[in-house]
Amino acid sequence: DQQVKQNSPSLSVQEGRISILNCDYTNSMFDYFLWYKKYPAEGPTFLISISSIKDKNEDGRFTVFLNKSAKHLSLHIVPSQPGDSAVYFCAARTGTASKLTFGTGTRLQVTL
Amino acid sequence: DTEVTQTPKHLVMGMTNKKSLKCEQHMGHRAMYWYKQKAKKPPELMFVYSYEKLSINESVPSRFSPECPNSSLLNLHLHALQPEDSALYLCASSQTGVGAFFGQGTRLTVV
Repeated sequence: DQQVKQNSPSLSVQEGRISILNCDYTNSMFDYFLWYKKYPAEGPTFLISISSIKDKNEDGRFTVFLNKSAKHLSLHIVPSQPGDSAVYFCAARTGTASKLTFGTGTRLQVTL
Repeated sequence: DTEVTQTPKHLVMGMTNKKSLKCEQHMGHRAMYWYKQKAKKPPELMFVYSYEKLSINESVPSRFSPECPNSSLLNLHLHALQPEDSALYLCASSQTGVGAFFGQGTRLTVV
């Protein structure tokens, strides 16, 4: 039962363009959504989060959008840079237990 | 200090060995976590400690035994593991559960 899904296993974007990573979820009890970036053999690095009561949160080049009615969120990176190449995980928090459920990840490749 | 430090970085152990993974954070976070990640899979939650008490055990086999000696330290004791337990073991901490900080992980190989 995959409660958090990232349906695109990989994405390739040119440097300077916008990268859009998508995530869908099924559990209405999630109260926060987070994006993590992960390099091989390293731990995930927190990027940005959004509360379930918001529809947008922005931090520098990163913006997360939440469409609660569609149970869908997306991460926009603009402009994309080669250093952004990594695996991006969407995660959702169940508030009472502070438990994070991760999506399957999307590998982003930013090309020159 | 915004780091979660895990030791060792790599560990190879036999199926009859006993070993421990260690995790340390000095951010004053009151929640600490163990996750397991297999290749090309997302991290999966194993245990959550909240205020040094075990609050979540995700039906993890007893060959994995967590311990939280104090608010800064988290251990994972390993005994009689199987080759399928080989994975990257990640420790994380958070204050509110939002934006959990992860360590670099311990790459465990069971032979």
